[in-house]
Amino acid sequence: QKEVEQNSGPLSVPEGAIASLNCTYSDRGSQSFFWYRQYSGKSPELIMSIYSNGDKEDGRFTAQLNKASQYVSLLIRDSQPSDSATYLCAVNIWSLDSGGGADGLTFGKGTHLIIQP
Amino acid sequence: EAGVAQSPRYKIIEKRQSVAFWCNPISGHATLYWYQQILGQGPKLLIQFQNNGVVDDSQLPKDRFSAERLKGVDSTLKIQPAKLEDSAVYLCASSLGGNQPQHFGDGTRLSIL
Repeated sequence: QKEVEQNSGPLSVPEGAIASLNCTYSDRGSQSFFWYRQYSGKSPELIMSIYSNGDKEDGRFTAQLNKASQYVSLLIRDSQPSDSATYLCAVNIWSLDSGGGADGLTFGKGTHLIIQP
Repeated sequence: EAGVAQSPRYKIIEKRQSVAFWCNPISGHATLYWYQQILGQGPKLLIQFQNNGVVDDSQLPKDRFSAERLKGVDSTLKIQPAKLEDSAVYLCASSLGGNQPQHFGDGTRLSIL
């Protein structure tokens, strides 16, 4: 059974500070890792994808992956009030058994992030 | 590029009634997914299609839920009969396949009275 664990929060961070969001997963076969942002009443929006160990940076966002520890994180630098949302961690396994496609994502419950002005 | 289209946006029905949702994926995306998101939870996969074939429907409650993707493009998800616990947002997503990211539509918010 694939499981993805996140602290549900809320996580409160002052504006301009670094927000750190964490996620652990149970399936060592997991190969692809994603962070989605979801505003209240909206659908998930892709923020970052990461596939190999290490850091990946995109603007104010940095994703970090450690497969040995089964741990993935998202850092948001210079946090803005508009970053206030729920952040969903998702993992999947890509295999030929999926007919060349990716398996469905397994999501955590999400971390509710609040950026305080 | 146009995103994933879903309709309707909202639906209110009484328990034991039936309901259907429609999804049109991003052009060229062979893989289509339906997820159920209950309030306060992350989305849960219901069914995955690769072109018009089902890849994974292990979490689909088949006694009441059905889905099809007849021509490998649009898809419909049906619930019959609906139960109170089916109240949720139903999300459609698509991807190019492989390990490419999935992109979500706006979802259909279903309320069961």
